[in-house]
Amino acid sequence: GAGVSQSPRYKVAKRGQDVALRCDPISGHVSLFWYQQALGQGPEFLTYFQNEAQLDKSGLPSDRFFAERPEGSVSTLKIQRTQQEDSAVYLCASSLDRGPRQPQHFGDGTRLSIL
Amino acid sequence: KQEVTQIPAALSVPEGENLVLNCSFTDSAIYNLQWFRQDPGKGLTSLLLIQSSQREQTSGRLNASLDKSSGRSTLYIAASQPGDSATYLCAVRLLNRDDKIIFGKGTRLHILP
Repeated sequence: GAGVSQSPRYKVAKRGQDVALRCDPISGHVSLFWYQQALGQGPEFLTYFQNEAQLDKSGLPSDRFFAERPEGSVSTLKIQRTQQEDSAVYLCASSLDRGPRQPQHFGDGTRLSIL
Repeated sequence: KQEVTQIPAALSVPEGENLVLNCSFTDSAIYNLQWFRQDPGKGLTSLLLIQSSQREQTSGRLNASLDKSSGRSTLYIAASQPGDSATYLCAVRLLNRDDKIIFGKGTRLHILP
């Protein structure tokens, strides 16, 4: 597609349920990033993939958060046993390649609400 | 630890005014600094990117400056329009962690018609 696509756009879940958020990066983009944006805050880095390899997961807040990109294209962010503090917008970004000169292109995000 | 601060947190100005948004960062070891725009319910749109060796960048009515030594950047918007209403985010790319971007909390801008 023309841009980064995220689905679903909105997700409501009860506390304790598992959720899965999907990101389709721009075709051909090697690098993929996940960010968490709480209400009124800037995005915070969660994890980064280079192709299928997860090179940095230092931002994942707990072991309930898991991300994968098995074929180096689509990525899924999974949150197990959701808590109310997981409520946020989850943004995905992709870039053509690694390196600071490569701009990151952002999707519109998935707004997650935990009841 | 790099911290990015944006002042003010919110701003309302009448249409047509010129305005300045401020961003400060604690560690000058950055690769570049970027200003983004975020509309409600949307992702981030890059407005201007300033490399650490540059002093400013301009695009249309927008001008961004960077003073790396003092850890400051400003985004100047000339002749503001209601369509400029959005949240503006400042972000720095770390010199030694080139894939990580640190964002400020943003300035919510409202242009009054």
